[in-house]
Parts: sequence; C-alpha cells; structure tokens
Amino acid sequence: GAVVSQHPSWVICKSGTSVKIECRSLDFQATTMFWYRQFPKQSLMLMATSNEGSKATYEQGVEKDKFLINHASLTLSTLTVTSAHPEDSSFYICSARVGQIPYEQYFGPGTRLTVT
Amino acid sequence: QKEVEQDPGPLSVPEGAIVSLNCTYSNSAFQYFMWYRQYSRKGPELLMYTYSSGNKEDGRFTAQVDKSSKYISLFIRDSQPSDSATYLCAMNTGFQKLVFGTGTRLLVSP
Repeated sequence: GAVVSQHPSWVICKSGTSVKIECRSLDFQATTMFWYRQFPKQSLMLMATSNEGSKATYEQGVEKDKFLINHASLTLSTLTVTSAHPEDSSFYICSARVGQIPYEQYFGPGTRLTVT
Repeated sequence: QKEVEQDPGPLSVPEGAIVSLNCTYSNSAFQYFMWYRQYSRKGPELLMYTYSSGNKEDGRFTAQVDKSSKYISLFIRDSQPSDSATYLCAMNTGFQKLVFGTGTRLLVSP
C-alpha cells in the first residue's frame, strides 16, 4: 500500500515551453501533497505544499507564477513548470501524506526534467 | 548553520560490516525523526521513524534518538551490497514541514 506515482519519469523540453508533471496517490487519499526539487548530490528542497481544493503554499524563494501547482483531487496534484529555462533542469519529486501523521509521507519515484 | 547536519560521505564499507549513519540538529522542538533510503534517480523510501528519544529496531536496522545531544543515528547490521544508496535523515515538530539532511551516500562492496 501507500504507492505514489509520477508521470512522466523523464521529460526533455525546449527553453520557453511549459511542462506538466502529475503526481498520484494510487491506493490512498492524500490530504496533503508536497513538491520537492533535488539537484545532484543535494538533499530535497521543499518547493510547495498543497491541500486538495486549496491554493498551494510556496516556500520562500520559489516563484509561484513559474511553478504552478494544482491539487484537483485527493489523489492528484500537478506541477506545471512554465516558460522553462535550462536552470529549471532538475529532479522533481512529489510526496503525499495521509492525514497529519508526520512519518506517513510517501514519495513518488521522481521526474527528471531537462530543458534544452 | 543548517537545522540538520549530515555528513555527505561517501561511506565505503565491506559486505557484512556494521554501518553507522548520523545526523545532528539544532531545533529542540523536533519530535519526529525519520530515515529514508534513496537509490539513484528514485524517490526516497521510508525506512524507520521514531518519536522523541529512544531506540527502535526493525530487522537489520536500528534507529536511535538522543534528544539531549540533538543527535540521531541509524545502524545497519550485516550490510549488503543492496544497501548501497543515499540515506537521508528527516525530522519535524509534528505539524511543520519535514526538514531533511543532505544525505549520506553509502557504498557496500562485496
């Protein structure tokens, strides 16, 4: 149980275009979903927290107009990188939490974004 | 100073060795402590969690929390090549976001 999927697993896009990444909780309903960014050999950096039906809460320094997050249902959240640039190339990981229990946060397999 | 400090390694050990991974932290309000394992280009996988101080054992893994020293450890007994991965500690107060360490890369050689 507690499986989180992400799609796509790898995407290449041209500079200036937008790309959407989906995060789904497959066998549970997630009250909260999180989006992280990870650079090579670095830890996870939280970008934003989203609750179903509410606007996402972005971490300081994260451009909300560039990284659009939509939490449409209890099992689906999407991250859209708008007008992507090469510096947006990174590994994006989502996670989903069951209720408010801190350790019941399950991570997706990640999406590698390469902007050319 | 970072809230959570973790040696990035790499830590290289032979198969069968006991591995000790550690994190220190500065926020005394942290109550929940987690260890995640992350294979290359994959998402983190929860290994163990501990609430407050004490020890917790699960198979070959033992997690220890010493709140008085603000120090947590993960021990792996009889390490296997399949244990080669990056190990991330994470913690929070219970209601705030998880704060992660930078991760320690572990290499177990056959």
